Amino acid sequence: AAGVIQSPRHLIKEKRETATLKCYPIPRHDTVYWYQQGPGQDPQFLISFYEKMQSDKGSIPDRFSAQQFSDYHSELNMSSLELGDSALYFCASSSGLAGYNEQFFGPGTRLTVL
Amino acid sequence: AQTVTQSQPEMSVQEAETVTLSCTYDTSESDYYLFWYKQPPSRQMILVIRQEAYKQQNATENRFSVNFQKAAKSFSLKISDSQLGDAAMYFCAYRRYEGAQKLVFGQGTRLTINP
Repeated sequence: AAGVIQSPRHLIKEKRETATLKCYPIPRHDTVYWYQQGPGQDPQFLISFYEKMQSDKGSIPDRFSAQQFSDYHSELNMSSLELGDSALYFCASSSGLAGYNEQFFGPGTRLTVL
Repeated sequence: AQTVTQSQPEMSVQEAETVTLSCTYDTSESDYYLFWYKQPPSRQMILVIRQEAYKQQNATENRFSVNFQKAAKSFSLKISDSQLGDAAMYFCAYRRYEGAQKLVFGQGTRLTINP
């Protein structure tokens, strides 16, 4: 079965640079969630989209922005990168917003800021 | 705001034995969902088991079962007949029944299986 695809899988950037992370949800999934997992930390919710509209927002820095496109893929744009942005970024997708709908996680993008 | 607490940073168990991971949460809502996720060394997040708060019956998935105590706001995971492949970080998570659908995770418990 098709899974959530994230690209790139690994990304190395310098401080103050910009990064773009991409997420391709499972076919027919219309909801995308972004989570950030720092070293030794639990995943923290950043932002979510349903039918191309932002549905919820967590502790996402103002330097970050995200959107969901007409084909339901999503991109997380990160500017003025800081050392503290080094983390594993997960994208998850589901079919609709209902709480019983499982969120399927992608393999994550490991971002390293030097 | 909802919070999830896992008070056991690390646990270990002998292969084929049973282990229980603890989780408590805080919420003012009456309906919600609780989950246990497994994160092996590959870092992939894998759903282990799900519990609907409005169901009194504890969820079971093969060797995995939960003890859901709604009044105590406790949600423990029992792994029976532990296998080497069960070694991973385990995260307890909360999700609202309606409205914001984000997952709120606990701090995680690292489970080691001793052969």
